[in-house]
Order: sequence, then structure tokens, then C-alpha cells
Amino acid sequence: EPEVTQTPSHQVTQMGQEVILRCVPISNHLYFYWYRQILGQKVEFLVSFYNNEISEKSEIFDDQFSVERPDGSNFTLKIRSTKLEDSAMYFCASMIRDREAQYFGPGTRLLVL
Amino acid sequence: GESVGLHLPTLSVQEGDNSIINCAYSNSASDYFIWYKQESGKGPQFIIDIRSNMDKRQGQRVTVLLNKTVKHLSLQIAATQPGDSAVYFCADAMEYGNKLVFGAGTILRVKS
Repeated sequence: EPEVTQTPSHQVTQMGQEVILRCVPISNHLYFYWYRQILGQKVEFLVSFYNNEISEKSEIFDDQFSVERPDGSNFTLKIRSTKLEDSAMYFCASMIRDREAQYFGPGTRLLVL
Repeated sequence: GESVGLHLPTLSVQEGDNSIINCAYSNSASDYFIWYKQESGKGPQFIIDIRSNMDKRQGQRVTVLLNKTVKHLSLQIAATQPGDSAVYFCADAMEYGNKLVFGAGTILRVKS
């Protein structure tokens, strides 16, 4: 069964450093998302991406965040200068077409020291 | 009601019993809902979805009920098994952009 994959599974970084989180969505899916989950809290939407552009972004997704689909398979989230409060699980999700279910990857646990 | 941080509502059931997990939503225009299961350290796993033109939808051992009048969803798990132990979230798929707005979650603990 096709799955969303994410790398790395864990990332530890120093405050102020740049990180890139990588995702490979399900191959025939057209809509892509990033969410985050701070420990013990609910999953929060960050950004949606369709047709090579951002569809919507949340207040969390400020100028320090960017997304890219550099080729036909990868979808990346970059945080330019990490802050302590960026520590969270980051989930990628993909969806085959409009108004269908989103399928999530296993997540990347980011720890900013 | 709403729960924040670590104080998620918890449902404890005996193995073999049925479980009912509830969720309330606030937007009367919402028309598509999804239930996810999240095990510790893993991503949300799709369980079942329902659109607003339906009141009930059944899957394998799971049933989702939608009451639009009171803006309430429930997930019923039949013959609950230890492997069902997880946090369960309902999510409201927003019409524009399809972003998911997650509920706070319910911890399901299955006792053997």
C-alpha cells in the first residue's frame, strides 16, 4: 500500500540554524500539506501546496518557513533560522484530489537546542 | 468539551467491548470530516471519513455517525482490541484549501 515517507525521523539542531525536512508524498497525489504537533497537543495546520504554489498558510508559517517541490517526488519544508519553539513533530500529508482524505507520513521529530 | 495540552479525555474499555468516541464541531457549514488514529510517536492514520450528505458510514469494525443538528460526530469501534489503544482525533476538512482542523483528541485505553 502506498505511503507518505519522511526523512529524517529525528533532527536535533542549534537555535538559529537552518533545517530542511523532507517528504515523499504518495505518487499520484496532487495536494500536499505540512502540519506540526507540539508534544501533548493537537495537530496544527502549517501550509497547503497545490499546482506548484502555496494554497493557504497559517499564522505559524511566517517568513522563516518555506516549502518547495523541487522535483516530481519530493516536498520539503525549510525553516531558515530555527527557534526553541519550533521544537515539534512535523507531519507531511498528501491528498489525491480535492475533498478527499489526507494521508500522513510518520513525522520528523525536530528538537531545537 | 475542549481539552488542552496533556489533559485529553480518556476512555478505558475492556477488550471485546464496544467503544464510542465523541467529537463536537463548531462550523455549521462544515461538510467533510475524517477520523484519525495516532499511536505514540507515529503520524495520524486514516480510519474513516464522512460527508455531510450522510448520517452514518461503516467500515471494518468502525462506524461514524454524524448529527448535523447538534454538530456532533462519533466513532464507534466494535469489539475493541488492545491494538486499538491510541489517541483518536476527529478532523474537519475546511472547504477552501482542504486544511484539516483537528479536535483535541481522546485517549482510548483497552484493558485485557
